[in-house]
Amino acid sequence: AIRITQSPSSLSASTGDRVTITCRASQDISSYLAWYQQKPGIAPKLLIYAASTLQSGVPSRFSGSGSGTDFTLTISCLQSEDFATYYCQQYYDYPRGFGGGTKVEIK
Amino acid sequence: EVQLVESGGGLVQPGGTLRLSCAASGFTFSSYEMNWVRQAPGKGLEWVSYISSSGSTIYYADSVKGRFTISRDNAKNSLYLQMSSLRAEDTAVYYCARDCRSGSTHDAYDMWGQGTMVTVSS
Repeated sequence: AIRITQSPSSLSASTGDRVTITCRASQDISSYLAWYQQKPGIAPKLLIYAASTLQSGVPSRFSGSGSGTDFTLTISCLQSEDFATYYCQQYYDYPRGFGGGTKVEIK
Repeated sequence: EVQLVESGGGLVQPGGTLRLSCAASGFTFSSYEMNWVRQAPGKGLEWVSYISSSGSTIYYADSVKGRFTISRDNAKNSLYLQMSSLRAEDTAVYYCARDCRSGSTHDAYDMWGQGTMVTVSS
């Protein structure tokens, strides 16, 4: 199975900060990587797919990059509504795998 | 309205069975591949199972293989997860999730239900 390692597991940031989260796959997954945002008690929301394609309706301050094994989610200017947990997911092969999550907290 | 609504969760004893349902509306359910994803309390997301639009292709996570069965009824716009030999570690919120594009073999999940809680405890 493809292992997905996400880091950091948590971070503290202030509104307006630039935030970067990374995911590393244990093997080449091309660009078959998605990023999700989840708030407490609510289902995950798709932010980015194909490593860098913004899902419809998602603010442009979110961006994704990478291919192969190394991927990055960047929030360019953190807003209050962005405090949440973020997950990456590989959809290159089965079993599908998620990263362990990154909780973005208010500093 | 385009939505997925899960039901069927609850409290069940270890070794017991439970059947989850996911009712789809607002889109052509029969055209989309579907998945179950779960989340244990305070933990991350875990993919559980996949079923193709026709039901002909199915995959399971190793943690549930042989105990869980995914199925669908396209005439009823419904997805199911039959769970048996339940264990304490199956305790989680179970989400159904739709692949973004119909017919794609590599896809993220663009639509999720609200989730249904399954608690396995004596």
